[in-house]
Amino acid sequence: AQSVSQHNHHVILSEAASLELGCNYSYGGTVNLFWYVQYPGQHLQLLLKYFSGDPLVKGIKGFEAEFIKSKFSFNLRKPSVQWSDTAEYFCAVLNTNAGKSTFGDGTTLTVKP
Amino acid sequence: DAGVIQSPRHEVTEMGQEVTLRCKPISGHNSLFWYRQTMMRGLELLIYFNNNVPIDDSGMPEDRFSAKMPNASFSTLKIQPSEPRDSAVYFCASRRGTGDTEAFFGQGTRLTVV
Repeated sequence: AQSVSQHNHHVILSEAASLELGCNYSYGGTVNLFWYVQYPGQHLQLLLKYFSGDPLVKGIKGFEAEFIKSKFSFNLRKPSVQWSDTAEYFCAVLNTNAGKSTFGDGTTLTVKP
Repeated sequence: DAGVIQSPRHEVTEMGQEVTLRCKPISGHNSLFWYRQTMMRGLELLIYFNNNVPIDDSGMPEDRFSAKMPNASFSTLKIQPSEPRDSAVYFCASRRGTGDTEAFFGQGTRLTVV
């Protein structure tokens, strides 16, 4: 069975600090990888996705993620966070054979102004 | 397209009552997912459909929960009878095909069972 592990449950940073959120998955087959963001009181929105090709993917709002197949990881990064990045971030894995997406437990990011 | 549409946005009901949540996926999407989000358990996949057929309902917590997708443009999640521990935000999401596409989420239904 596939699973997704997000190591940090709550991260608190000051503005302009760099961000890295960890995500590891367990599934040996072909996967697509996603990061979603959920701003307070809103629904989940896609930040970025990896399907194939360049393992370093760039998303919206200055976010990027790197797929490291050997480590089963897809960590999210941003060089300099802003107060408006305060949100919950979810890593997700899509099993392309079964068509089933599995989400991590989420990481709450609080950025102090 | 208006995106995934869920109704109602909020629901407050008394314990023991039947609750029906509705979802209209994006036109042309043939995969539909129901998720439940709580502080304690995070985001849980309850059930998903491909081409209106339930594929995996292993996440449905118990027999009080049921979901249907009578056609490609409508799905319901029903809780009967409801209990206070069912209080959560329920999200519906849809995706085009089973290949390289992302899921689009609705605004969610915030359910409170008192």
